[in-house]
Amino acid sequence: GNSVTQMEGPVTLSEEAFLTINCTYTATGYPSLFWYVQYPGEGLQLLLKATKADDKGSNKGFEATYRKETTSFHLEKGSVQVSDSAVYFCALRLTSGTYKYIFGTGTRLKVLA
Amino acid sequence: DTAVSQTPKYLVTQMGNDKSIKCEQNLGHDTMYWYKQDSKKFLKIMFSYNNKELIINETVPNRFSPKSPDKAHLNLHINSLELGDSAVYFCASSQDITTGELFFGEGSRLTVL
Repeated sequence: GNSVTQMEGPVTLSEEAFLTINCTYTATGYPSLFWYVQYPGEGLQLLLKATKADDKGSNKGFEATYRKETTSFHLEKGSVQVSDSAVYFCALRLTSGTYKYIFGTGTRLKVLA
Repeated sequence: DTAVSQTPKYLVTQMGNDKSIKCEQNLGHDTMYWYKQDSKKFLKIMFSYNNKELIINETVPNRFSPKSPDKAHLNLHINSLELGDSAVYFCASSQDITTGELFFGEGSRLTVL
């Protein structure tokens, strides 16, 4: 079946540390891949996306590359800030049938000053 | 001007009651969704409507009934509330069913006592 697996949190880092949150997926066809971020008390919002193999999505210093050979879409940031503390969701969108979105379980990031 | 708005933001009620959550989007999108987020932040699709037509209906108890009076509105009615219904319910929309990011509302936190 279709699924998204991301690393369990919480992830606790000091400010300016390097961030990696792993995400792998299983899907039929060629899904679109996304990272969404949820700040406390808010809904999810799109952070970045990639729609085909080798595409790199980037936004606000975050990057992720669509790796078809390893079925992965790992999120990275070179230097995190306290304001990056949030829950990060990896997701895929099927590109046929119901075009359903499937979300990972979320990874909580806490950045300490 | 809020893109996806849902009301109420908080709802506390007794077991066995019936309640509704309303959602409206002013983005001109064709597709709307209801998601349920549990206490561990796991996000699960419940329903999806495209131009007022039900597209996705996951394995949700039939106590949950969505209603879309027009493509800008998608309401969720819940009958005979149970303790396990306590969660945050998110409404979302996307430009159409095949592409595009999801735009989420701020969530409605339902607590069943």
